[in-house]
Amino acid sequence: DAKTTQPNSMESNEEEPVHLPCNHSTISGTDYIHWYRQLPSQGPEYVIHGLTSNVNNRMASLAIAEDRKSSTLILHRATLRDAAVYYCILSHAGGTSYGKLTFGQGTILTVHP
Amino acid sequence: DAGITQSPRHKVTETGTPVTLRCHQTENHRYMYWYRQDPGHGLRLIHYSYGVKDTDKGEVSDGYSVSRSKTEDFLLTLESATSSQTSVYFCAIRRARSFSGNTIYFGEGSWLTVV
Repeated sequence: DAKTTQPNSMESNEEEPVHLPCNHSTISGTDYIHWYRQLPSQGPEYVIHGLTSNVNNRMASLAIAEDRKSSTLILHRATLRDAAVYYCILSHAGGTSYGKLTFGQGTILTVHP
Repeated sequence: DAGITQSPRHKVTETGTPVTLRCHQTENHRYMYWYRQDPGHGLRLIHYSYGVKDTDKGEVSDGYSVSRSKTEDFLLTLESATSSQTSVYFCAIRRARSFSGNTIYFGEGSWLTVV
């Protein structure tokens, strides 16, 4: 399975944009890029996902490199509630194995008031 | 809210006793998953189901069994609990979307302590 590489931790100030990077140099053509986040004592929460094009939703934006070997999760204005562990995950599309997510260690995001 | 309910949310049990965790969904999704989360290991897939009576092993399936007799319920059983199975267990469902990929939604977790 293709793996992802993320920084262990990042810090941001409240109301500033945050760019969380993810490298996935061995991504295959049918792998979707997913981002989840996990707050303490809660289950992972879906943030956004994409295949080739940049994606936007109410929570964040996902910028995918043209060669798909890296992506960036963008939180446009960080709030204290965005402090969490952020996971970048590749999910192979197709067949009964789709949805089997391999979680790495993620990036711990700290947001300062 | 993906309509996932896990029970029990917290349980302490003794080594060697059987334990069953239940995951209940209200949205009729075909795919359901059980993960465990441990410090230093992140989330790891135990078993998953792609339909009633259709299940398959994940990354860390030893010591666990599952059953899916109806769409809404996916049960995870520890036949004889061991201390190494002390963990937080998360159920998840796959919400299918046509043409644009799928998203996975997680329950709130079940904290299991084996003493």
